[in-house]
Amino acid sequence: ETGVTQTPRHLVMGMTNKKSLKCEQHLGHNAMYWYKQSAKKPLELMFVYSLEERVENNSVPSRFSPECPNSSHLFLHLHTLQPEDSALYLCASSQDPSGGAETQYFGPGTRLLVL
Amino acid sequence: GQNIDQPTEMTATEGAIVQINCTYQTSGFNGLFWYQQHAGEAPTFLSYNVLDGLEEKGRFSSFLSRSKGYSYLLLKELQMKDSASYLCAVRDRNYQLIWGAGTKLIIKP
Repeated sequence: ETGVTQTPRHLVMGMTNKKSLKCEQHLGHNAMYWYKQSAKKPLELMFVYSLEERVENNSVPSRFSPECPNSSHLFLHLHTLQPEDSALYLCASSQDPSGGAETQYFGPGTRLLVL
Repeated sequence: GQNIDQPTEMTATEGAIVQINCTYQTSGFNGLFWYQQHAGEAPTFLSYNVLDGLEEKGRFSSFLSRSKGYSYLLLKELQMKDSASYLCAVRDRNYQLIWGAGTKLIIKP
């Protein structure tokens, strides 16, 4: 595997379910990110981890819970979601979150539908 | 508040040239990025500008004017595979990326 991988690629869940999204980066980067992408809206940064420490949480509801067990893996635990949470969830990584020209490398995303 | 504006959708013809504009109002400036995103796929990095002027990379060029809060992405010799969304993002004074909503580019034969 190369780059950034995400599983599952598609997920349908009810509002009472609990599920987890998984992201893995094979680039040796130190920072990982979760983004939400809704149709015709800008990417919304949800969480940033640097060296496994959470450095940013952009006022995300507590029904989204991130976990970063090591610098290569990132999870997003979901519970009691709402239909408006349906979106594409993208994971990204970069060498350094505060670098000037640092490029973020994205995974293919998980398309989530909440019924 | 911080804001990135870019057209929602553009249409161009195969073989032609298209310019996608991006204007921004942010708290500070630490660089501007362009990403390409094909439908159902990950955004991929295209270009980075931090100084005024034009950066050329093959068929793609990106221009920046910091005084005007303006950038454009120029795509030459358009190919059908260039049909995608193009995302503009600015890194603010806190090194946080502020994203535009993207421009969907449709290429017609």
